[in-house]
Amino acid sequence: KAGVTQTPRYLIKTRGQQVTLSCSPISGHRSVSWYQQTPGQGLQFLFEYFSETQRNKGNFPGRFSGRQFSNSRSEMNVSTLELGDSALYLCASSSPRTGETDTQYFGPGTRLTVL
Amino acid sequence: SQKIEQNSEALNIQEGKTATLTCNYTNYSPAYLQWYRQDPGRGPVFLLLIRENEKEKRKERLKVTFDTTLKQSLFHITASQPADSATYLCALPPNSGGYQKVTFGTGTKLQVIP
Repeated sequence: KAGVTQTPRYLIKTRGQQVTLSCSPISGHRSVSWYQQTPGQGLQFLFEYFSETQRNKGNFPGRFSGRQFSNSRSEMNVSTLELGDSALYLCASSSPRTGETDTQYFGPGTRLTVL
Repeated sequence: SQKIEQNSEALNIQEGKTATLTCNYTNYSPAYLQWYRQDPGRGPVFLLLIRENEKEKRKERLKVTFDTTLKQSLFHITASQPADSATYLCALPPNSGGYQKVTFGTGTKLQVIP
């Protein structure tokens, strides 16, 4: 099976712009989660989508939003970019069912730099 | 409040020795605990899962223990190699019963010195 793919891999934007990141999960996986990772901060959970519905949400401002399509592909959008949004954005897919484990399979990430 | 603690200081170890990393948690009652490996600039890779009723799990040179009384998991790499150098993260769900989203620790950086 092909792994999780993310596009683009690198992105440079300026403050105030918006950005959209894309993630294609492993075939058959219906859950997609997004994380932000900055040096020294670890993995910060943004949100999770399952069957086109947001199922869990982290503690991020409303500038961060996402969606999931019927084929499980997901996009994440950040509006009005700030310098502090510079980070590695990771997408992970999983195939959780009630009573089973939330094992995450991560993509390579999108490195976003905000100037 | 719920907290996952991993040693934020890097662990330096000589090649061939056993590396031991610790994951402590408070205010969690997880049904399982996971360990991931992350190389710089890449996404984490799932390594092992251990359930609350398992004391120990092994996979090749990796061994994980899980003590729900101490609220601690230990991750061992035996006969460590420079290629084992990476950041290792633990992850666990808040409670047992049904699907729960895991939370990740901040990770411990392991450096294996040749």
